[in-house]
Order: sequence, then structure tokens, then C-alpha cells
Amino acid sequence: GENVEQHPSTLSVQEGDSAVIKCTYSDSASNYFPWYKQELGKGPQLIIDIRSNVGEKKDQRIAVTLNKTAKHFSLHITETQPEDSAVYFCAAPYGGYQKVTFGIGTKLQVIP
Amino acid sequence: DAGITQSPRHKVTETGTPVTLRCHQTENHRYMYWYRQDPGHGLRLIHYSYGVKDTDKGEVSDGYSVSRSKTEDFLLTLESATSSQTSVYFCAISEAGSGDTEAFFGQGTRLTVV
Repeated sequence: GENVEQHPSTLSVQEGDSAVIKCTYSDSASNYFPWYKQELGKGPQLIIDIRSNVGEKKDQRIAVTLNKTAKHFSLHITETQPEDSAVYFCAAPYGGYQKVTFGIGTKLQVIP
Repeated sequence: DAGITQSPRHKVTETGTPVTLRCHQTENHRYMYWYRQDPGHGLRLIHYSYGVKDTDKGEVSDGYSVSRSKTEDFLLTLESATSSQTSVYFCAISEAGSGDTEAFFGQGTRLTVV
């Protein structure tokens, strides 16, 4: 199956700084890469995703970049705010399009 | 929020007893998933369904079974609960497969096996 590695596992940043979370995957056939945010006591929620036909996608303060050759993709959060504090998961499909493997998660703490 | 309801939200049960968790959706999505979340392991897929009566195993399916007799309901059963099954369980739904489109997650069920 797909092997997804995510790092760092924890990340602390000052409010207003940028945060970057990186993931690598193993299946070169993968073509859809979502990022989920999980707030305390809640289920994960999609914040951004990217398909393999583009190298970068941006949505306000959040961006995702994809390097298919190197098989890695990254989440970038700029101008971090306290409400960005959460656990972030990357994911990549395996066995086709029916399911994904999740990374281990990154706990982001934004310090006011 | 996507219409997903998990029940119960919390449960404490004894080792060796059967336990059934329910996931109910109102979105008419084809795909439904059961995950468990444990510290240091992220989200791991237990079982999933790609249609009524169509299910398949995930990466951590041992000790679990599922059933889907209606589009809207996906049941997860622990035939004989063990302490290693203490976890937070999440149900998710997806219209066209989570490897191609967004998955929507429920609020989770915290299960404690004592």
C-alpha cells in the first residue's frame, strides 16, 4: 500500500510567522493529495487539496505545493493565527481512488 | 456541515463484550469509511464500503466487521472487544472515493474497553 511520511510531528510558531508541513508518498501513480485539519474534539476537515496536473494551489493564507518527481507535497500557512492551532494530516491515495493513507499528523501550535 | 451522525459518542465496555458503532449519513454518498485514531498512528482505515452490501478491508481490520444494508447506514462491530481496541473511531463519507474527492468526517466515538 501507499506509504505516507509526514514531518514534523509537532511545530510551534509565533503568531504571524509561516508554518510548513511536508509529506512524502511512495506510489508514483497517486494523483490526488488532500490536507485535513483536525481541531480538538472534532473530526478532520478538508482545508485544501491538489491534483497532480498542477504544481501549486493557493487559498488565502494556505497553499499546497506538489513535486511529483520527488514524490513530496507540502502545506504552507502564512501569517499564522491562534485559530490555526490544530493537528494537520496529509493523505495520498492507494489502490486506486477509493481510499487514502494518512500521514501521522502534525500538531501545530501558534503562540500569540 | 455534512450530515454525518455517529452513535454513540462515548462508550465504556468490558473486555469480551460485543460492541456496535453506528454511522448515519444524509448525503447519499456512495463511499463510507471507518477509521481509528490513536496517538502516534494518525488515522488508520479499518473497513470501508463502496455501496450497499459492498465492503472491503482496510489496513487494521482484524477484530472488526462491518455491514451496510442501506445507503445511509454503516455499522462497525467489535465481536469481542479487547483493550487494544480502546480508541477514537471516526466515520467518513465521500461521494466518489476519498482518493479522488473530499471526505467528510463525523464527530467521532470515544470507545474505552476495560
